[in-house]
Amino acid sequence: GAGVSQSPRYKVAKRGQDVALRCDPISGHVSLFWYQQALGQGPEFLTYFQNEAQLDKSGLPSDRFFAERPEGSVSTLKIQRTQQEDSAVYLCASQQGRGDYNEQFFGPGTRLTVL
Amino acid sequence: AQSVTQLGSHVSVSEGALVLLRCNYSSSVPPYLFWYVQYPNQGLQLLLKYTSAATLVKGINGFEAEFKKSETSFHLTKPSAHMSDAAEYFCAVSRNTPLVFGKGTRLSVIA
Repeated sequence: GAGVSQSPRYKVAKRGQDVALRCDPISGHVSLFWYQQALGQGPEFLTYFQNEAQLDKSGLPSDRFFAERPEGSVSTLKIQRTQQEDSAVYLCASQQGRGDYNEQFFGPGTRLTVL
Repeated sequence: AQSVTQLGSHVSVSEGALVLLRCNYSSSVPPYLFWYVQYPNQGLQLLLKYTSAATLVKGINGFEAEFKKSETSFHLTKPSAHMSDAAEYFCAVSRNTPLVFGKGTRLSVIA
């Protein structure tokens, strides 16, 4: 596709439910990032993949958060037993190369609301 | 550790007036610096970046930013605001780390 796509765009979950958020990066992009953006805040790093390898997951807030990219393309962020504090916009970004000076291309995000 | 401080969560300017959005960074190594713009319900879009070449960086839509090491600043400017510039702007820093974003500045443009 022309850009990074994410689905669903909006998700409402009851507290305790599991959710799965999908990211389709730009074709051929090696690097993929997940960010969490709380209301009125800047994005905060969650995790980073280079191809299928998860090289950094230091930003995941708890072991309820899990991300995968099994074939080095599409990625899924899973949140188990959702809590109200998980409510945020989850952004995915892809990058053509590996250098941290390269531009990251962001998707529109998934807005998660936990009731 | 790296960090970014954006002064002013909300800036309001008249159409045609100068836009100045402030960003100060903290980094123990020479940083890479970025400005991103976010329109409602859209992802972030890169405006410009500094990667240790020219200190005055020109970006898209008439924006530019100047890296000032002595002031640890990377302020974003545009000579003449347009209504379409109304959006949220984020400054970010990285160097051997994932991007670290500031809290953002919402720019309003008044007709």
